[in-house]
Amino acid sequence: QKEVEQDPGPLSVPEGAIVSLNCTYSNSAFQYFMWYRQYSRKGPELLMYTYSSGNKEDGRFTAQVDKSSKYISLFIRDSQPSDSATYLCAADNAGNMLTFGGGTRLMVKP
Amino acid sequence: DAGVIQSPRHEVTEMGQEVTLRCKPISGHNSLFWYRQTMMRGLELLIYFNNNVPIDDSGMPEDRFSAKMPNASFSTLKIQPSEPRDSAVYFCASSLRGTIQNEKLFFGSGTQLSVL
Repeated sequence: QKEVEQDPGPLSVPEGAIVSLNCTYSNSAFQYFMWYRQYSRKGPELLMYTYSSGNKEDGRFTAQVDKSSKYISLFIRDSQPSDSATYLCAADNAGNMLTFGGGTRLMVKP
Repeated sequence: DAGVIQSPRHEVTEMGQEVTLRCKPISGHNSLFWYRQTMMRGLELLIYFNNNVPIDDSGMPEDRFSAKMPNASFSTLKIQPSEPRDSAVYFCASSLRGTIQNEKLFFGSGTQLSVL
């Protein structure tokens, strides 16, 4: 079993929809949680960064971490075709290396 | 800032040949990571350096793989001899480690390697 699991999708939604992307993890020592966005033929780029449990909002994006259930979520409001990409969640144990999920491919249709 | 720079962008080679991938991290970053991405296995960490010193190479699949970081602005990943199963996208990433808030990875655009 991988330490960070993601549904690979693809997830297809109409423009303007609210998107929910999710990850589960197994390592209780993880404290830092990130979402990376990867466009086709590009490297991943950091989208959201959160510490421990709670919510963090940045524009149309909200990252949510529930450490009690080991669940990580990314919500995208008013989704746009430009949001079409692969979203990778990642977790870090304070000073060690990031562990990535396999990524969820999102398609937002106009 | 130019970001993390990788070369070549694409590499096509024949089985048995030596392949060298290159990376220039972001200036001032003190940690460098080599990742491999495939559809089947996702993004896998191969090796990471801190202050030019290899810290963890447990992800390097075989002795055919080697990585060096001779100075703070350059790293190479070498595969010798290459095999078709090495075909993947290889990413280099850098970060500024030492303060928790700065442990964020910045990725290059990757090298698409095809071994025939």
